[in-house]
Amino acid sequence: DTEVTQTPKHLVMGMTNKKSLKCEQHMGHRAMYWYKQKAKKPPELMFVYSYEKLSINESVPSRFSPECPNSSLLNLHLHALQPEDSALYLCASSHPGLAGGPYQETQYFGPGTRLLVL
Amino acid sequence: SQQGEEDPQALSIQEGENATMNCSYKTSINNLQWYRQNSGRGLVHLILIRSNEREKHSGRLRVTLDTSKKSSSLLITASRAADTASYFCATDARTGTYKYIFGTGTRLKVLA
Repeated sequence: DTEVTQTPKHLVMGMTNKKSLKCEQHMGHRAMYWYKQKAKKPPELMFVYSYEKLSINESVPSRFSPECPNSSLLNLHLHALQPEDSALYLCASSHPGLAGGPYQETQYFGPGTRLLVL
Repeated sequence: SQQGEEDPQALSIQEGENATMNCSYKTSINNLQWYRQNSGRGLVHLILIRSNEREKHSGRLRVTLDTSKKSSSLLITASRAADTASYFCATDARTGTYKYIFGTGTRLKVLA
């Protein structure tokens, strides 16, 4: 199984809502990632979890709150988002890598959640 | 400018032709990876090339890496309509700490 699944596929939320994005993989990967991608732009790394611990936060606003409840699941909790947060949110997983870190490894991406903030 | 810049930004070719896209980067890297993204979908990993490698092949794909010029190229031979997608390079840029940065991407359109 080389699949990363993400739910929901689409999400529309108001600026006062609280919602969560979910990502799951069963490849035994111990590194998981959240990316944000605006239209016609490259993905931008938001968070990296390694062995279920947050290892990298790329200065993401606190209205985005990641959580890694176990080695297969990754959540992104959303609260008080702004319209400019509308984007495609991608989850990825990989082996954690050795001394060079997770970026030495192939990342497997999910199909993404398309988020619209009204 | 960005760590990974790709050119051309957009490329339109006929089916059967070869497509070449280039990626340039600024800092030292350990590896460079190429990904494909179909419209509005997740990314699919194509090839990983390490800094001590110069060329790799996978099916109709050929990737080269020139660390002296800080550049890489992706060649797709005998293109098919199904190759229509955006192609991104990604590097583990050493900027004090490691950062994973995607290039700006090349939008390829293969006409049947």
